[in-house]
Amino acid sequence: DTGVSQNPRHKITKRGQNVTFRCDPISEHNRLYWYRQTLGQGPEFLTYFQNEAQLEKSRLLSDRFSAERPKGSFSTLEIQRTEQGDSAMYLCASSLASSGELQETQYFGPGTRLLVL
Amino acid sequence: AQSVTQLGSHVSVSEGALVLLRCNYSSSVPPYLFWYVQYPNQGLQLLLKYTTGATLVKGINGFEAEYKKSEPSFHLTKPSAHMSDAAEYFCAVSVRGNQFYFGTGTSLTVIP
Repeated sequence: DTGVSQNPRHKITKRGQNVTFRCDPISEHNRLYWYRQTLGQGPEFLTYFQNEAQLEKSRLLSDRFSAERPKGSFSTLEIQRTEQGDSAMYLCASSLASSGELQETQYFGPGTRLLVL
Repeated sequence: AQSVTQLGSHVSVSEGALVLLRCNYSSSVPPYLFWYVQYPNQGLQLLLKYTTGATLVKGINGFEAEYKKSEPSFHLTKPSAHMSDAAEYFCAVSVRGNQFYFGTGTSLTVIP
């Protein structure tokens, strides 16, 4: 079990540029989540996938944000036309949802810190 | 609607003293409750969770939390603080088994 990994760990970009982050979940996990965390705040839910299907999206996820999980394994989060307000830590988590467990545990990656200049 | 309030953004305790981190929440349905810890430059690590059954939940590193429906609260405690406990702690609630709502976090400082 290598845990959830995220790349890159840090990204600095200029306003208006597009950025893409990658998340590799724990291999057998079928659910994958994206969160955003700003300084002094807790993580805020953005979206989640069950296998390759995107099942829920937060209102925080504007149309400049898009997430994919094409083969039900790794996921990408793209931000188009970045704004300074997008500067944050982007966290990925994965879990194994099974019928026998009331609430599966979400395992978090180390995050990607984005700074938009 | 669900919300989580963590009272005290910063808590300082002496090494060996009791740790108490407060979490109050609101939920329209019975929730699942969690505490996560975050060390600098690392992801969140699950300390403990409550789903059903016994209201006193024991977690890793000597932490425990009690679900009190009447308040409602899910305060985190540890009898004796250790220097390695210094970190950011987040309380979270989930009501549909997937989307988590996190509090704003409490930074714990342990004084030698």
